[in-house]
Amino acid sequence: DTGVSQNPRHKITKRGQNVTFRCDPISEHNRLYWYRQTLGQGPEFLTYFQNEAQLEKSRLLSDRFSAERPKGSFSTLEIQRTEQGDSAMYLCASSLALDGQDSNQPQHFGDGTRLSIL
Amino acid sequence: KNQVEQSPQSLIILEGKNCTLQCNYTVSPFSNLRWYKQDTGRGPVSLTIMTFSENTKSNGRYTATLDADTKQSSLHITASQLSDSASYICVVSLRMKTSYDKVIFGPGTSLSVIP
Repeated sequence: DTGVSQNPRHKITKRGQNVTFRCDPISEHNRLYWYRQTLGQGPEFLTYFQNEAQLEKSRLLSDRFSAERPKGSFSTLEIQRTEQGDSAMYLCASSLALDGQDSNQPQHFGDGTRLSIL
Repeated sequence: KNQVEQSPQSLIILEGKNCTLQCNYTVSPFSNLRWYKQDTGRGPVSLTIMTFSENTKSNGRYTATLDADTKQSSLHITASQLSDSASYICVVSLRMKTSYDKVIFGPGTSLSVIP
């Protein structure tokens, strides 16, 4: 399967613990996005990378959240000191930017990591 | 404020029937509009994409329309199948000064197709 892969699919943890999610994008895609989705809502943008550079972060991304894409390939999203409100589906997407623009290139999504905070 | 609204919030139809989902947006400057299908527990999958100059786009039994003047889009599903049961999300991109187009997702319409 050459689609976007996310691990783990589900994560259950106690409040206050740290968690880390991994996203493996489509190999030739240079852009990678993280989103958060709660039940009955559309995805909300968190951050995005162009290759290894993190170019934009949403205000939703508090200082407890950190994302990396060290070699411009896979990415990790870490949440420190988790809170009940962090319970959500965390989606990763990737796209191929051509000539600096990706507006007409669809974002390909993974199936997400569902985080449940006890 | 840049927003994307969708209606209805949820819809139940009989298998074989047609349906139309609506999307209204207040987004400027507009770049493009996409419809995504999201099955329960899965990530969204792109169905159609339309730029400012396009007013209709088809993908099998799915037909999307766009009226850039009224800032409205619709997704028409013909001869619905049980597998069409999913959330349908309207996504609008803003043309930014940077190379990244900001993307705004609607809340989705939950469609249930019943036998």
